[in-house]
Amino acid sequence: EVQLLDSGGGLVQPGGSLRLSCAASGFTFSSYAMSWVRQAPGKGLEWVSTISPSGPNTYYADSVKGRFTISRDNSKNTLYLQMNSLRAEDTAVYYCVKHDYGYPSDWGQGTLVSVSS
Amino acid sequence: EIVLTQSPATLSLSPGERATLSCRASQSVSSYLAWYQQKPGQAPRLLIFDASNRATGIPARFSGSGSGTDFTLTISSLEPEDFAVYYCQHRSNWPRAFGGGTKVEIK
Repeated sequence: EVQLLDSGGGLVQPGGSLRLSCAASGFTFSSYAMSWVRQAPGKGLEWVSTISPSGPNTYYADSVKGRFTISRDNSKNTLYLQMNSLRAEDTAVYYCVKHDYGYPSDWGQGTLVSVSS
Repeated sequence: EIVLTQSPATLSLSPGERATLSCRASQSVSSYLAWYQQKPGQAPRLLIFDASNRATGIPARFSGSGSGTDFTLTISSLEPEDFAVYYCQHRSNWPRAFGGGTKVEIK
């Protein structure tokens, strides 16, 4: 069974940093693209970033480009999202997702990031 | 950047009725479109990929159609557990985008 355990969320001040982690199990982590998708309170889904299975290729939404960095450690079956220069509009539940069929197919439980002074 | 527009924003129907949801792309995405279902307090679930293929374990009452810029998700006969928010997403190019969602509510 695929399991994705998101962690690292919390309350941070504007301009601060946070690193999210996602521990994956139940599948061959190194064979799948992975992404982060977020959802602001009461709002819709927003794609944030995607990383290829072996890691060299990364893609970002314009809203986070230059501030967020996605990475993975295939030896630890873990996905990361380093978030810098955080803004109030980054407040959201962040989901770690595994791709299949070319789309996010399995989702973590989400971790809440709140950016506020 | 491709923008996905979903309509209607809200669909009020009764159990047993047919639901028809629309997703329109600002430019062609070929057949590279997926549909998701999200219930309150839960993560989304992949229903349909590449416009018309049901994901594993998805009931046959869910079907997808379309190509290019116009897509439809049909729920043939609404079950009580189908009342939720539905999103479309493309994988035609970067950046990926989701539509704004359609809420299917009980009438």
